[in-house]
Amino acid sequence: QKEVEQDPGPLSVPEGAIVSLNCTYSNSAFQYFMWYRQYSRKGPELLMYTYSSGNKEDGRFTAQVDKSSKYISLFIRDSQPSDSATYLCAMRINTGNQFYFGTGTSLTVIP
Amino acid sequence: DGGITQSPKYLFRKEGQNVTLSCEQNLNHDAMYWYRQDPGQGLRLIYYSQIVNDFQKGDIAEGYSVSREKKESFPLTVTSAQKNPTAFYLCASSIEASGTGELFFGEGSRLTVL
Repeated sequence: QKEVEQDPGPLSVPEGAIVSLNCTYSNSAFQYFMWYRQYSRKGPELLMYTYSSGNKEDGRFTAQVDKSSKYISLFIRDSQPSDSATYLCAMRINTGNQFYFGTGTSLTVIP
Repeated sequence: DGGITQSPKYLFRKEGQNVTLSCEQNLNHDAMYWYRQDPGQGLRLIYYSQIVNDFQKGDIAEGYSVSREKKESFPLTVTSAQKNPTAFYLCASSIEASGTGELFFGEGSRLTVL
C-alpha cells in the first residue's frame, strides 16, 4: 500500500463549479500537509500548507485536514479555466527529512 | 525575487554521455532535494542534502551523483549508468531538512536521451 493515495482523474468541470480534490494516507505520524498546482512542463507551485487538523482558506482555495480519517482535501471555488492543471498533495512528519507525494489529479475547467 | 533556478530547461543527450543539471537557490534554505517525475509515477526522490558537504541517497539514486559544495547550489549528474534517464527532473528546497518547513520547487529540467 502506498503511503499517500490520490485519484489521478482526469477530472473535468464547467467554469464556476466547486472542485474537490482529495488524498488519503496511511501514516498517522504525518502532521504537515501541502497542496501543489503543476502546469504542464512546469515545476509544482505551492498553493496551501497546513498543520495538523482543521481548515485553511486562501482566496478561492480551502484546504481541509481530517487526521482521524487520514484524509485531506483541497476545494476550489468559482473554478476558472486557468485552474486547469495537475494538483499534487504532499505531507511530512515533523522529525522526518522526506516528503511524501500523491501521484496527482489532472483537472480541466471547461469555459 | 527569491526562488530556485534550474538549468537547462531542456537537454538532449546521446547514450553513454554524462550530463549535469544545475540547481541554484537564493532562499537561504538548508535542505535541497532532487526528484524525478515520470508520467503516472509521481515524484521519486533521487538525492537530498541537509547541509553543505553532506547528502543522502533517496529511493532511486543508482546512476546519479550530486555534490553540495555551497549552500545555494546542488547540481545533479546523470551518468551513463542510469538505464532510463529520459524524464523531468525537479530540484526543491526546504528551510530545514527535519522540521516544519514546506517544500519549494524549481521549474524543472527535461532530459531526453537520443
